[in-house]
Amino acid sequence: AQSVTQLGSHVSVSEGALVLLRCNYSSSVPPYLFWYVQYPNQGLQLLLKYTSAATLVKGINGFEAEFKKSETSFHLTKPSAHMSDAAEYFCAVSVGGGTYKYIFGTGTRLKVLA
Amino acid sequence: GAGVSQSPRYKVAKRGQDVALRCDPISGHVSLFWYQQALGQGPEFLTYFQNEAQLDKSGLPSDRFFAERPEGSVSTLKIQRTQQEDSAVYLCASSLRTGPNEKLFFGSGTQLSVL
Repeated sequence: AQSVTQLGSHVSVSEGALVLLRCNYSSSVPPYLFWYVQYPNQGLQLLLKYTSAATLVKGINGFEAEFKKSETSFHLTKPSAHMSDAAEYFCAVSVGGGTYKYIFGTGTRLKVLA
Repeated sequence: GAGVSQSPRYKVAKRGQDVALRCDPISGHVSLFWYQQALGQGPEFLTYFQNEAQLDKSGLPSDRFFAERPEGSVSTLKIQRTQQEDSAVYLCASSLRTGPNEKLFFGSGTQLSVL
């Protein structure tokens, strides 16, 4: 069965600093990978997704993620943090070949310091 | 509507009561998912519908949980004889098509508190 692990339940960065949120996946077949963001009192929103077309995926709000098969990772990065990036971020995985069950990680809460 | 709508936004139930949570997906969306999100955790899969067919209910924690989508649009998650461990946010998500690489559109959730 597939799964994702997010290292670090809380991450703090200074405004303007690099954002790095870690996600490692486990899957016996080629996975589809996603990053979602959840702002307070709002539903989860898709930031970006990997579907095997390109290993470096660019998403909304300046975020990007790189699929590294050798490391089974799909870390999320942003070169320069903005105060509005403060939110909770979830990595998710799914695989084909059956019913479509999107499995989410436990989340990383990003705090941006002024 | 423009997005996925869930009601009620908050629900307080006494232990042993039955509750019904409603999800209005985006019009025309084929797939519908229910997730349970405990405090400080990620969403946990409960069940999946393709149109009116419930194709996967492997995540429902007990037979007290029941979901339906009779006409392939609105869905209801029912919890019978609620217990304190049922307290969580229940999220509904929909996608336009079926498949493992679809964008999910989430509602804001229903926060259930069982006293």
